Amino acid sequence: DAKTTQPTSMDCAEGRAANLPCNHSTISGNEYVYWYRQIHSQGPQYIIHGLKNNETNEMASLIITEDRKSSTLILPHATLRDTAVYYCIVRVSGTASKLTFGTGTRLQVTL
Amino acid sequence: DARVTQTPRHKVTEMGQEVTMRCQPILGHNTVFWYRQTMMQGLELLAYFRNRAPLDDSGMPKDRFSAEMPDATLATLKIQPSEPRDSAVYFCASGLGQGAGADTQYFGPGTRLTVL
Repeated sequence: DAKTTQPTSMDCAEGRAANLPCNHSTISGNEYVYWYRQIHSQGPQYIIHGLKNNETNEMASLIITEDRKSSTLILPHATLRDTAVYYCIVRVSGTASKLTFGTGTRLQVTL
Repeated sequence: DARVTQTPRHKVTEMGQEVTMRCQPILGHNTVFWYRQTMMQGLELLAYFRNRAPLDDSGMPKDRFSAEMPDATLATLKIQPSEPRDSAVYFCASGLGQGAGADTQYFGPGTRLTVL
């Protein structure tokens, strides 16, 4: 699986959009970008994933650059409950296999 | 809604004792994962099963750890004998083996283990 680089921490004001970047310059053509988050004292939670097109669901949007070497997870209207560690993971899709978690980005949403 | 359940949620034990953690995957999921999380190592995979058969247990210390799936609704992770360095939060996750949604893993709340 390709290596990812994320900022260690970020702050965001409640109600504003949170934009979390991820670099994955060595991504292969068949690797997807996945995002999970872990709220304090809970298990990780799936957010979204994509290959090359932008994706949106009820939780977030995922923007992947045309060269696929980086991506941004967007929480359009962050709330205090979005405070968590966000993990960007790059891996081949198709069958369920292990997730390799890095250190992630600790997002702090403030009033 | 369907969730992965884990028991116990907290366990405090003394060094040398046997510890058994249990996981009930989401009904219909045929892939079960065990992860461990510590401050130093972060989240790391210990083992995973598909259709109750172990596919990868390379992350698990073989001399003291064992993982099994006695049936499709129960996965167990056992440590014998336990050591203080095993203190961590152990997460179970489940997912579909193939097809749409195969890659989404659903995590349980974890078992927080403290070995004194």
